[in-house]
Amino acid sequence: AQSVAQPEDQVNVAEGNPLTVKCTYSVSGNPYLFWYVQYPNRGLQFLLKYITGDNLVKGSYGFEAEFNKSQTSFHLKKPSALVSDSALYFCAVRDIRTYKYIFGTGTRLKVLA
Amino acid sequence: DTGVSQNPRHKITKRGQNVTFRCDPISEHNRLYWYRQTLGQGPEFLTYFQNEAQLEKSRLLSDRFSAERPKGSFSTLEIQRTEQGDSAMYLCASSLNLDRVDEFLFFGSGTQLSVL
Repeated sequence: AQSVAQPEDQVNVAEGNPLTVKCTYSVSGNPYLFWYVQYPNRGLQFLLKYITGDNLVKGSYGFEAEFNKSQTSFHLKKPSALVSDSALYFCAVRDIRTYKYIFGTGTRLKVLA
Repeated sequence: DTGVSQNPRHKITKRGQNVTFRCDPISEHNRLYWYRQTLGQGPEFLTYFQNEAQLEKSRLLSDRFSAERPKGSFSTLEIQRTEQGDSAMYLCASSLNLDRVDEFLFFGSGTQLSVL
């Protein structure tokens, strides 16, 4: 069965510092990986995806993610955090056979001014 | 608004009552998904449709839950004989499947269900 794990419930980072939100996955076959963000009282918003190609994927709001096949990881990164980046972040994997998306438990990011 | 629309935004009901939620996906999207999210957890898959066909339903979903997408456009999710454990945010998402790789989910704002 396919799954994703987000080992950190919360990540705190100072404004202006680089941030990393971790995600590891377990799939059979090639992974289709995604990051979503959820702001308070808002729906989930797509940030970026990895399907194939370059291991470094760029997405919305200056975020990027690095796919590492040997470590089965897909960590979300941003070079310089903003207070407005504070939100709940979800990693997801799509089952390539059934098109079902499986989400992690989420990581709350707090960017401190 | 051309996004995914869900109604109602909030629903309060008494235990044992039936509730129905509606989702209007982005108009050209052929896949529609229902998820459930509780506080502090990630979205939990419930079911999904391709056009009007329901292709997969979570084994965690009891027989009290049913979903339809009669004409391949909007969808409804019905919960019969609600229980307090059904209290959650119910999320709808849609996607356009042009090929096997180039798609992702667009989410609605959800329907928050509270069962008293």
